[in-house]
Amino acid sequence: DTGVSQNPRHKITKRGQNVTFRCDPISEHNRLYWYRQTLGQGPEFLTYFQNEAQLEKSRLLSDRFSAERPKGSFSTLEIQRTEQGDSAMYLCASVRDTEAFFGQGTRLTVV
Amino acid sequence: QKEVEQDPGPLSVPEGAIVSLNCTYSNSAFQYFMWYRQYSRKGPELLMYTYSSGNKEDGRFTAQVDKSSKYISLFIRDSQPSDSATYLCAMPPGSSNTGKLIFGQGTTLQVKP
Repeated sequence: DTGVSQNPRHKITKRGQNVTFRCDPISEHNRLYWYRQTLGQGPEFLTYFQNEAQLEKSRLLSDRFSAERPKGSFSTLEIQRTEQGDSAMYLCASVRDTEAFFGQGTRLTVV
Repeated sequence: QKEVEQDPGPLSVPEGAIVSLNCTYSNSAFQYFMWYRQYSRKGPELLMYTYSSGNKEDGRFTAQVDKSSKYISLFIRDSQPSDSATYLCAMPPGSSNTGKLIFGQGTTLQVKP
């Protein structure tokens, strides 16, 4: 499968714990995006990378969130001190020209 | 007011019906217009995208853009139960960063056999 891969698919964590998600984009795509989607809403942009450089962060990305893309390949999104409001689907997309290809997402539940 | 508005539905139609899904947007600078389909608990998949005004057809799907009214539509002909999903319109705010998308809320479609 050469699509965008996200792990884990589901994560249940207790409030206050840290969590990390991984995204493996399509190999030849140099732009990678993170989105968050809550129930009944469309995805919202969080941040994006061109190769290893993080070029933009949404104001939705509080200081508890950090994203990395070492060596311009896979990316990780870490949430520290999780809150119940962080419960959502976290989506990764890799982009070729005008087409964004999304992964299956990681569904986070904070209890 | 959100930049991209979409009626959340749900929309329920019988199999074989023609479906019309719509979005309005507020920023006249938008130039690219995408439609994504999202099945339950899955990531969105790109159905179609158009640039500027006009129509684009792909099989049973037709995307239509009216920039003068800031209104876009997706038509599905001969709808099938497998078309049951949430349909999201999306637009990049700039032409230089087309992966940064502003999504509508999504319209949930159910096609009944």
